Amino acid sequence: DADVTQTPRNRITKTGKRIMLECSQTKGHDRMYWYRQDPGLGLRLIYYSFDVKDINKGEISDGYSVSRQAQAKFSLSLESAIPNQTALYFCATSVGVEDTEAFFGQGTRLTVV
Amino acid sequence: GDSVTQMEGPVTLSEEAFLTINCTYTATGYPSLFWYVQYPGEGLQLLLKATKADDKGSNKGFEATYRKETTSFHLEKGSVQVSDSAVYFCALSVNAGGTSYGKLTFGQGTILTVHP
Repeated sequence: DADVTQTPRNRITKTGKRIMLECSQTKGHDRMYWYRQDPGLGLRLIYYSFDVKDINKGEISDGYSVSRQAQAKFSLSLESAIPNQTALYFCATSVGVEDTEAFFGQGTRLTVV
Repeated sequence: GDSVTQMEGPVTLSEEAFLTINCTYTATGYPSLFWYVQYPGEGLQLLLKATKADDKGSNKGFEATYRKETTSFHLEKGSVQVSDSAVYFCALSVNAGGTSYGKLTFGQGTILTVHP
């Protein structure tokens, strides 16, 4: 099994619908992240969490919310999906030291129609 | 703010050709530098890293040297293989008073295609 698991892997939803993307990890890491990948833009940070009680906005948090249900689970919600939120979403974890690698899930491809 | 700029892609090479993907950065603090690779249909995985000036990261035949004077971290490989076809991302992480730990700033990614 993968260390960082994202569900669903693919999702098509309609404009205005609420959708939740889920991430779970078996790495035992405290820090978890949600990134969004768009062609030509690389990955951009949406939200990050340093522990269950610590949630922080990233550079593109508008239109998104998150929930850290446990050390191992970090969910991303789109409260009212819009077409320009169509993207590839990645969850990642890290130990937290700045030179330690981040571990990524396989991604969720979200299409908003 | 922090930023990473990668050379424009896509890059198409023949097998055994030499590869360079340029990466430059700006950072408010003293960054650690990374190259991540994304194979088709997969998440990103760390390829190599360097944490201080003049450090050389290396893995799977790829190398990159942390050049503080030119704020660069160019990726090189002497002889590419078809299996190296992927998207390559340069990234940095800066410790700015403890709140930036682990947060990565990515370049836009460079698509590499290697033909037999």
